Amino acid sequence: QVHLQESGPGLVKPSETLSLTCIVSGGSVSSASYYWSWIRQPPGKGLEWIGYNYFTGSTNYNPSLKSRVTISVDTSKNQFSLKLSSVTAADTAVYYCARATLAVVTAFDVWGQGTVVTVSS
Amino acid sequence: DIQLTQSPSFLSASVGDRVTITCRASQGISSYLAWYQQKSGKAPKLLIYAASTLQSGVPSRFSGSGSGTEFTLTITSLQPEDFATYYCQQLNSYPRTFGQGTKVEIK
Repeated sequence: QVHLQESGPGLVKPSETLSLTCIVSGGSVSSASYYWSWIRQPPGKGLEWIGYNYFTGSTNYNPSLKSRVTISVDTSKNQFSLKLSSVTAADTAVYYCARATLAVVTAFDVWGQGTVVTVSS
Repeated sequence: DIQLTQSPSFLSASVGDRVTITCRASQGISSYLAWYQQKSGKAPKLLIYAASTLQSGVPSRFSGSGSGTEFTLTITSLQPEDFATYYCQQLNSYPRTFGQGTKVEIK
């Protein structure tokens, strides 16, 4: 049973960089079957896909965030990370890490519990 | 980007009711659509992928249909644990996009 767990600061100052990590247990980030993804949900709003990293190092980001986003995978620690630079209050959200699986046409079949990030001085 | 529009945005129903939620795509996406259920304060849960394939462990009262630009999620007999918000998501192209959500509440 694969389990994902987000970790990182819950409060980030405006203009700084948001950094989150997703620890993967019960499975390998090096598998060719999965895309490791981040999704966010502002308070009271819907879901926004941020991007993914594939085991080859290939990435794909939402164009609305592309200039500020980096998603990386650390195979030695079996985890993946999100960095979002130059944050503003609009980046306040619950951030989820998720696994997109080829076997289910890259739908997100495993999610972390989510972590609340507030951007405020 | 492909826009997904769900209707209705809000639905009030009773236990045992048959419920249908529609998701319309701004352009054709074949059958590359997923449905998720999100309960308050929790992460979304995958219900259906490829428009009509039930994810393992999901009760059979949930079903999906459609292709191209129009899709539906049906719950045949609403149970107390089904009161939640439902999202569709397209898997056809990047960026991945979600519908705005349909909140199902108790009548």
